Amino acid sequence: ETGVTQTPRHLVMGMTNKKSLKCEQHLGHNAMYWYKQSAKKPLELMFVYSLEERVENNSVPSRFSPECPNSSHLFLHLHTLQPEDSALYLCASSQEREPYYGYTFGSGTRLTVV
Amino acid sequence: AQSVTQLDSQVPVFEEAPVELRCNYSSSVSVYLFWYVQYPNQGLQLLLKYLSGSTLVKGINGFEAEFNKSQTSFHLRKPSVHISDTAEYFCAVSEVQAGTALIFGKGTTLSVSS
Repeated sequence: ETGVTQTPRHLVMGMTNKKSLKCEQHLGHNAMYWYKQSAKKPLELMFVYSLEERVENNSVPSRFSPECPNSSHLFLHLHTLQPEDSALYLCASSQEREPYYGYTFGSGTRLTVV
Repeated sequence: AQSVTQLDSQVPVFEEAPVELRCNYSSSVSVYLFWYVQYPNQGLQLLLKYLSGSTLVKGINGFEAEFNKSQTSFHLRKPSVHISDTAEYFCAVSEVQAGTALIFGKGTTLSVSS
């Protein structure tokens, strides 16, 4: 266990469904990130939260909606997804947004859109 | 903007053989460099990082990497691999500036066989 917990581990959803991914960390970090990992592509940074404020949104479609209610929890709300959205979604956290520290990653949620 | 190129998508080796996984980066400013490992069905785990100082960096599990500024490279090496080293390895770069996120390469699959 790395200290960053993601649930669920696997999710299959239809294109008309609404679901949420959850990420939780108790490392005392105050920056959290969502990455999308697709086969043979670089990890794509989706969202960055610092002190519960969204500070970066890398041109992610509106069908992905993040939420950070406090520094320990991060959600990714999903609705009307497309099959190409099937991927491993990774949550990470860090101390400050200082890259010096590196990131701690969760185990990911394997999402399949049917 | 910085970028990362991992030159080999797959590297097959035999157990106890040496291995080198190649990584080149592009950036107009000073950078931090990282190697992460991802075992099947898990998130990314930090192997080692270069921040400053000695260009030879030692990490966990017997891995090391050497920063070469003139060649903009940060190759990962291990003198003798084990079956358990079979995994996906990711090189990442970040500018030496607070607030910048990690940018990852596409990854290299290391397959160790007996």
